[in-house]
Amino acid sequence: AQTVTQSQPEMSVQEAETVTLSCTYDTSESDYYLFWYKQPPSRQMILVIRQEAYKQQNATENRFSVNFQKAAKSFSLKISDSQLGDAAMYFCAYLRGGSEKLVFGKGTKLTVNP
Amino acid sequence: NAGVTQTPKFRILKIGQSMTLQCAQDMNHNYMYWYRQDPGMGLKLIYYSVGAGITDKGEVPNGYNVSRSTTEDFPLRLELAAPSQTSVYFCASSYSNSGANVLTFGAGSRLTVL
Repeated sequence: AQTVTQSQPEMSVQEAETVTLSCTYDTSESDYYLFWYKQPPSRQMILVIRQEAYKQQNATENRFSVNFQKAAKSFSLKISDSQLGDAAMYFCAYLRGGSEKLVFGKGTKLTVNP
Repeated sequence: NAGVTQTPKFRILKIGQSMTLQCAQDMNHNYMYWYRQDPGMGLKLIYYSVGAGITDKGEVPNGYNVSRSTTEDFPLRLELAAPSQTSVYFCASSYSNSGANVLTFGAGSRLTVL
């Protein structure tokens, strides 16, 4: 079974600084997708960024970017110019191609200090 | 456009009681999902549906039932509630199961079983 591991239960960053959240996953599949979801205190799950395994180029969405290391099965999220509104739980997730079953990590709580 | 609507937002049940969590989406999505989120954990898939009349078990289906009589609605029923079912429940939907399709989540329903 696929597993997703987030080894940092909590992280903190100063406003305007950069922070990197770690995620590793275990799979024998070649067709899969990786996601980072943000869950603010409101509980609403919000997609931050998505990466297709077949794409070598790292995904980028404004201040959010990933470092996708396929051979190492690593998928870290970098947040640049951190803002107070970035404070939230961040979940890494894996989806095998053709599957409906999104597998989540346990999450990393990010605190942004003013 | 409401997206995914879950009711109720909060509920307290006594052990052995039953209840139904309602989920409705107005995006004409084919796929719908129920997840639960326990404290300090990521989301785990309970049940999902690929279309009206079709449902299937996820990772943690025991103690729950679902039905999908319409495209829009996907209720989750808890029979004989147990303290282990205390959790936050999220409904989500997507157009397909392709990883290119983003899940839209509801705001969650917090259930406490005492």
